[in-house]
Amino acid sequence: DIQMTQSPSSLSSSVGDRVTITCRASQNISNYLSWYQQRPGEAPKLLIFAAASLHSAVPSRFSGGGSGTDFTVTINSLQPEDVATYYCQQHYRNPLTFGGGTKVEIK
Amino acid sequence: EVQLVESGGGFVQPGGSLRLSCSASGFTLSTYAMTWVRQAPRRGLEWVATISSSGGATFYADSVKGRLTISRDIPKSTLYLQMTSLRAEDTAMYYCVKEFCTRTSCYGFDSWGQGAQVTVSS
Repeated sequence: DIQMTQSPSSLSSSVGDRVTITCRASQNISNYLSWYQQRPGEAPKLLIFAAASLHSAVPSRFSGGGSGTDFTVTINSLQPEDVATYYCQQHYRNPLTFGGGTKVEIK
Repeated sequence: EVQLVESGGGFVQPGGSLRLSCSASGFTLSTYAMTWVRQAPRRGLEWVATISSSGGATFYADSVKGRLTISRDIPKSTLYLQMTSLRAEDTAMYYCVKEFCTRTSCYGFDSWGQGAQVTVSS
């Protein structure tokens, strides 16, 4: 199975800060990497697909990057509505696997 | 507009059975692979099972293989998850999700239902 490791597991930053979350795959997954945002009490939402492509209606302050085994998602100017847990997920091979999540809070 | 609405969740004793349903609208089930993803209380996301767009292939997490069965009814536009021999560790919110595809490939899940809560306890 492909293991997905996210870091950090949680972070607290100020409004307007730039925030970066990292996801590492245990083997090469090309660009078959998606990022999801899950706000408290809600279902997850697709943010980024194919490692770097923004899904529709996702604010441009979000960006994704990486390929192979190392990936990132960056929030360029953290907003109060970005408080959520963020998950990466590989879609390269079954079993599909998720990272453990990164909880983002406002300082 | 794509909508996914789960139903059938509830409270069941260990060893019991339950069937989750997911009513899909805004697209045809036979066009996309469909998946169940679960989330245990205060835990992360776990892929459970997938049925291919053709319906000819199904895939399961090792933790549920032989106990949970994914299926679909195209005319009813409904996805199912038959759950048997349930264990306490199956307690979770179960989400029905639709595969996201571009013209060239498929990545992740772009539509999620609101979830169906399953609690397994004596």
